[in-house]
Amino acid sequence: EPEVTQTPSHQVTQMGQEVILRCVPISNHLYFYWYRQILGQKVEFLVSFYNNEISEKSEIFDDQFSVERPDGSNFTLKIRSTKLEDSAMYFCASSAGTPFAFFGQGTRLTVV
Amino acid sequence: RKEVEQDPGPFNVPEGATVAFNCTYSNSASQSFFWYRQDCRKEPKLLMSVYSSGNEDGRFTAQLNRASQYISLLIRDSKLSDSATYLCVVTLYGQNFVFGPGTRLSVLP
Repeated sequence: EPEVTQTPSHQVTQMGQEVILRCVPISNHLYFYWYRQILGQKVEFLVSFYNNEISEKSEIFDDQFSVERPDGSNFTLKIRSTKLEDSAMYFCASSAGTPFAFFGQGTRLTVV
Repeated sequence: RKEVEQDPGPFNVPEGATVAFNCTYSNSASQSFFWYRQDCRKEPKLLMSVYSSGNEDGRFTAQLNRASQYISLLIRDSKLSDSATYLCVVTLYGQNFVFGPGTRLSVLP
């Protein structure tokens, strides 16, 4: 069964450092998303991406965040200068344009 | 008002019990509705889509009431493996998935 894969599974970084979270969406999917979940809280939307551009973003997705699809398979989330409050599980998701999406197993980001 | 609200839980039920979860959403323009399941520290996984006509998948039944902006999930004959957090998810225009806070279920032996 095709799946969304994310790397790394766990990233520890120092405050102020840049991190890049990587995702390989399901190959024939067209819509890509990043979500985050702070421990014990709900899953929150960050950004959606379609046709090589951001289609929607939340207020969480400020100037320190960016997304890229550098080649035909990867979809990355960059956090330029991490803060303690960026510690969370980050989920990538993809969709073929059907209403539902498939989620990757997540990257746990710990900012120290 | 929050976009998607759910019973806070936790629900602790014995094996074999029937349990129902409720969800309400605030945006009447919402188009698609789902229940996802999330195990501890894992990704959300699609459990089932929810349709106005209601739909059933084995022991799971989902209902949607658009007039009341209300979604439900019924689990019959609950198993230990049903223990998880159940997430109500709503989409607008097929895009951004809006998650409820989740309801935790613990099925006890």
